[in-house]
Amino acid sequence: DAGVIQSPRHEVTEMGQEVTLRCKPISGHDYLFWYRQTMMRGLELLIYFNNNVPIDDSGMPEDRFSAKMPNASFSTLKIQPSEPRDSAVYFCASSSGGRHPYEQYFGPGTRLTVT
Amino acid sequence: AQKITQTQPGMFVQEKEAVTLDCTYDTSDQSYGLFWYKQPSSGEMIFLIYQGSYDEQNATEGRYSLNFQKARKSANLVISASQLGDSAMYFCAMRVPSSGTYKYIFGTGTRLKVLA
Repeated sequence: DAGVIQSPRHEVTEMGQEVTLRCKPISGHDYLFWYRQTMMRGLELLIYFNNNVPIDDSGMPEDRFSAKMPNASFSTLKIQPSEPRDSAVYFCASSSGGRHPYEQYFGPGTRLTVT
Repeated sequence: AQKITQTQPGMFVQEKEAVTLDCTYDTSDQSYGLFWYKQPSSGEMIFLIYQGSYDEQNATEGRYSLNFQKARKSANLVISASQLGDSAMYFCAMRVPSSGTYKYIFGTGTRLKVLA
């Protein structure tokens, strides 16, 4: 079975540019999570979806960040405009909420560098 | 405030010995979940173990066990018979109800190094 797929794996962009991170959850999973990991702040939950509907976006840092889940097999996290402080590893994770909502399967992450 | 505290930034353990990674939590909710993740140097996060606040028995998964002490608000991870492949960052996390949904809170992690 394919795990959670994220693209791109690495992204280097200049300040002010738009960045879009993509995620394909595990088929059949009805929860999708976006996390950000930095040395300074550790692992932070940004937003999560249940059945494609955003449930909690209180972790989204500011209006420059937006996330969508147009269908059960695809989600995007967009940063516009990007800033150097957005440099981090962004993880997408999915889980099958009905059985094990706490057992999240993480993707390999996207390492974002904003110069 | 809801919080997870991992006071050990780094730990060493000799191969084949047991090691305990500390985790304390703070919540006023009666119903919550605690779990541990492992992050090897390759970067992926791997779910290890879960403990519900109403579970009377400590959770175990193979060589991993969770020493749940509710009164002390601690959820320490015990790894028995350490292996070199256990070298990684370990994160303690909590899921708490919040306004009809859940919040997920992670600790800052403990880096474990297993010595041959």
